[in-house]
Amino acid sequence: SAVISQKPSRDICQRGTSLTIQCQVDSQVTMMFWYRQQPGQSLTLIATANQGSEATYESGFVIDKFPISRPNLTFSTLTVSNMSPEDSSIYLCSVKTSINTGELFFGEGSRLTVL
Amino acid sequence: GENVEQHPSTLSVQEGDSAVIKCTYSDSASNYFPWYKQELGKGPQLIIDIRSNVGEKKDQRIAVTLNKTAKHFSLHITETQPEDSAVYFCAASSTLGEYGNKLVFGAGTILRVKS
Repeated sequence: SAVISQKPSRDICQRGTSLTIQCQVDSQVTMMFWYRQQPGQSLTLIATANQGSEATYESGFVIDKFPISRPNLTFSTLTVSNMSPEDSSIYLCSVKTSINTGELFFGEGSRLTVL
Repeated sequence: GENVEQHPSTLSVQEGDSAVIKCTYSDSASNYFPWYKQELGKGPQLIIDIRSNVGEKKDQRIAVTLNKTAKHFSLHITETQPEDSAVYFCAASSTLGEYGNKLVFGAGTILRVKS
């Protein structure tokens, strides 16, 4: 398993601003992902954070709106840009510790409310 | 791509009774099926998983069954306790090909155990 820390745990933001969420893992991991969970909904994959290169985005998500960095094997950031109330969600960092297994571990999430 | 459907959306059981949550998936290439439990204000926690080369897996009061032919899998919780109350998500992924390592989640089931 892995211990995943996310900051901030929650925030209230103004429309039109941007917020960066940090994800720190206690060990080197092969893969890191960012998920979104809208209120009362399931989890939707935003992108795979690739170490040293551009993230791989899922359909419906673009780099301009959700820029992602992954400078090393233990850290990643997700920025939610030019926020609107529709961006109010929980954003979850998740990791795989082994590329050969499917086990995915999640952080506690960052709950964003956009006014 | 993969599509996962989960039923029921809510489930209320009396303490001590059993609970069953069912999921179906669409992509025959999927070979990994985890179940996550999410308590209020927390990130999802992996509680049990099954791979396509196995039909059933058990861990104390929790069991998962997989029917590859019918493309469905189920979570069974026996002797339910109030602390089992949470949202449960099923998921599916293939560790190979275009969708390798990407988990697709079901919509979630709110389980309430009444004492």
